[in-house]
Amino acid sequence: DSGVTQTPKHLITATGQRVTLRCSPRSGDLSVYWYQQSLDQGLQFLIQYYNGEERAKGNILERFSAQQFPDLHSELNLSSLELGDSALYFCASSATGDSVGYTFGSGTRLTVV
Amino acid sequence: GENVEQHPSTLSVQEGDSAVIKCTYSDSASNYFPWYKQELGKRPQLIIDIRSNVGEKKDQRIAVTLNKTAKHFSLHITETQPEDSAVYFCAAPANQAGTALIFGKGTTLSVSS
Repeated sequence: DSGVTQTPKHLITATGQRVTLRCSPRSGDLSVYWYQQSLDQGLQFLIQYYNGEERAKGNILERFSAQQFPDLHSELNLSSLELGDSALYFCASSATGDSVGYTFGSGTRLTVV
Repeated sequence: GENVEQHPSTLSVQEGDSAVIKCTYSDSASNYFPWYKQELGKRPQLIIDIRSNVGEKKDQRIAVTLNKTAKHFSLHITETQPEDSAVYFCAAPANQAGTALIFGKGTTLSVSS
């Protein structure tokens, strides 16, 4: 157990729908990062939050949004889902905004049908 | 922003052989280079990392070397074992306001006995 908790583990939904993925960072970690991993693709950085504030954006679609709450858990919202959004979504956390000590959760597997 | 290229995309070796995976990065300001191992259906896990002030780091059968001038770093696995079979990712900091890691596209290592 990495200490980074992601729920749900699996999600199946229809095109056009909206889903919310949740991530609780390791105790004491202030930074949360979201990644998308599609079949045969690497880890695509989506967005980073640090202590409640957005810190950096990567290749995140406009249909996707995220936030980090006062208790430091984060949610990734995916809307108007398309078949191509099917992927593994990982979050990672680190103690500061530093890349060192980056730990991943077990991921949420999203299937859009 | 940072761009990380990783080669080869697949690598097959016999048990006991050595394996080498290479990555290049674009941003000369990058100062931290981790390697992650991802087994099938699991989360990526940090296996070794190196900072820019050293040229080599070893941990039992794995080692990482860094050439700052050429902007490339490599993962070396000696005496490979079947349990080394996995996808390996290199990464470097994005060097934006945040410090998200940008990952290479991964190398699928297969070790046959």
